[in-house]
Amino acid sequence: GAGVSQSPRYKVAKRGQDVALRCDPISGHVSLFWYQQALGQGPEFLTYFQNEAQLDKSGLPSDRFFAERPEGSVSTLKIQRTQQEDSAVYLCASSLVAGTLAYGYTFGSGTRLTVV
Amino acid sequence: AQTVTQSQPEMSVQEAETVTLSCTYDTSESDYYLFWYKQPPSRQMILVIRQEAYKQQNATENRFSVNFQKAAKSFSLKISDSQLGDAAMYFCAYPRRKLIWGLGTSLAVNP
Repeated sequence: GAGVSQSPRYKVAKRGQDVALRCDPISGHVSLFWYQQALGQGPEFLTYFQNEAQLDKSGLPSDRFFAERPEGSVSTLKIQRTQQEDSAVYLCASSLVAGTLAYGYTFGSGTRLTVV
Repeated sequence: AQTVTQSQPEMSVQEAETVTLSCTYDTSESDYYLFWYKQPPSRQMILVIRQEAYKQQNATENRFSVNFQKAAKSFSLKISDSQLGDAAMYFCAYPRRKLIWGLGTSLAVNP
């Protein structure tokens, strides 16, 4: 597609519920990132994929968070047993070339998750 | 470790005036890039401008320009002829594969 698409745009989950957030990157983009952005804060890195390989998951806050990109395109971020502190905007970004830092990344519009 | 600091949580500017947003960073690298991103209420991060550290010349993109002081590790963003559509959060970011972000500056543009 023309841009990075994220769905749903908004998600309200009851505490303890599992959620799945989807990211559809720009076609052909090798690198894919997930970031978590709390209200009034800058984004915090969660995880990084190069094609289907998850090369860095050091930012995932707990084992309740799990991300996958099985075919090297669409990625899903799953949060199990959601808690109120998981409420945030989850941003996905993709980049055409792996390992280059020159051109930044294209971001989606994010999913706002609210845990009640 | 690399860090990025934005010391101005909020700024305001009159329409058509000029405003400068500050950013400092810390790194031991000699060759790197720096970015300014804009995040409007739509939440999508938009790349405004980027600077290559090995270039002496400050980057410019239309009404947006930077003042890059490598020795001082300072990377400020100047917005000239401010427009209502410039109102947004602005983030300074340092890429090390993943992006290292400042906390952002909320810019209001007053008509």
